[in-house]
Amino acid sequence: AQSVTQLDSHVSVSEGTPVLLRCNYSSSYSPSLFWYVQHPNKGLQLLLKYTSAATLVKGINGFEAEFKKSETSFHLTKPSAHMSDAAEYFCVVSEETDSWGKLQFGAGTQVVVTP
Amino acid sequence: DTEVTQTPKHLVMGMTNKKSLKCEQHMGHRAMYWYKQKAKKPPELMFVYSYEKLSINESVPSRFSPECPNSSLLNLHLHALQPEDSALYLCASSQDLGEGNTIYFGEGSWLTVV
Repeated sequence: AQSVTQLDSHVSVSEGTPVLLRCNYSSSYSPSLFWYVQHPNKGLQLLLKYTSAATLVKGINGFEAEFKKSETSFHLTKPSAHMSDAAEYFCVVSEETDSWGKLQFGAGTQVVVTP
Repeated sequence: DTEVTQTPKHLVMGMTNKKSLKCEQHMGHRAMYWYKQKAKKPPELMFVYSYEKLSINESVPSRFSPECPNSSLLNLHLHALQPEDSALYLCASSQDLGEGNTIYFGEGSWLTVV
């Protein structure tokens, strides 16, 4: 069985400072992991995806995430926050279940960026 | 071009109305999905189509009726909805159903039931 825990429901950062969004997962197998972003009143946009090719994954808009199997973590980081990064972020795991890769979403982390 | 297009963007309907949400993708994806998202919550899976056949129905009430006319189109027919069905309805698609496939989401249709 798979599950995803996003450790912070809200993160507030100042513009220009680093962003860290924490995600832990549990999975019976080697999962695929994703981060999606949802800006207000918008759909979900894929930030990045891990599928065992490399543990450090680079995504769009300067985001990256590191897969740490020993810690079962997939934390999302960005060196310098921009006002446009204010959004809801979802950590997602996909695991083969009954021959298809059902997505399990974390509860989400709301990011607020202050000037 | 990774794009899933949904119409309408906003829909207000009465509890006795019949309406439809539409979704289209031209990426050649063979799996398409409907998700429901309430405010401040993650999306919840409703239906999955694979190769135009309904593969997964997550115990969704029959007042929601999906339809996949062809490999590019996915509809969600709505009838006799309740106010608690008001939500953002997201369509998505992926190349296939297998684990690891990236799922691409549309902008969603905001539904208000009055």
